[in-house]
Amino acid sequence: DQQVKQNSPSLSVQEGRISILNCDYTNSMFDYFLWYKKYPAEGPTFLISISSIKDKNEDGRFTVFLNKSAKHLSLHIVPSQPGDSAVYFCAAPGGGSEKLVFGKGTKLTVNP
Amino acid sequence: GAGVSQSPSNKVTEKGKDVELRCDPISGHTALYWYRQRLGQGLEFLIYFQGNSAPDKSGLPSDRFSAERTGESVSTLTIQRTQQEDSAVYLCASSFGRRLQPQHFGDGTRLSIL
Repeated sequence: DQQVKQNSPSLSVQEGRISILNCDYTNSMFDYFLWYKKYPAEGPTFLISISSIKDKNEDGRFTVFLNKSAKHLSLHIVPSQPGDSAVYFCAAPGGGSEKLVFGKGTKLTVNP
Repeated sequence: GAGVSQSPSNKVTEKGKDVELRCDPISGHTALYWYRQRLGQGLEFLIYFQGNSAPDKSGLPSDRFSAERTGESVSTLTIQRTQQEDSAVYLCASSFGRRLQPQHFGDGTRLSIL
């Protein structure tokens, strides 16, 4: 049973345009969400997070939106840059020990 | 160093052999996690250490897997009698262990079982 789902395995956008990466979750007990970015042969790098008491968190070009009623969150990157090309993982801590439950990731390609 | 360090970066071994993977967390981080990522999959939780508390081993897939941590420093993940399905990237992460503190990952060990 996948508690965190990223239904798009890949996304391709043009440089300068907006990238929107989506994530759905099933566990209504999740109260904190994180996005990680991963380049090949490197570990995931923390990007941005959001607490369930908020519906939006912004950090520079990155904004995460949370819709609790729909159990859906999205990561917006604007403007997208070629260096943003990576796999993006959505994650949430579950089980009380802060262990993270990850989605399968979305591979973003930003074309120059 | 400033980040989480894992060794070796790559390990190729024959089926049935034992392997030991090492993780050096960020200094001051009390929490340490092991995950693995199989090809085309997301990260799967394996085990979690927090200070002197009993570890959360709920993610270990079989009794061939074990892990230890010395105080709040180095951790080793041991896989005994390796099987081909153990092939994956094994990732270690550490954090301050407090709520809403993000985990910081090492670059992982790519394990290949022949």
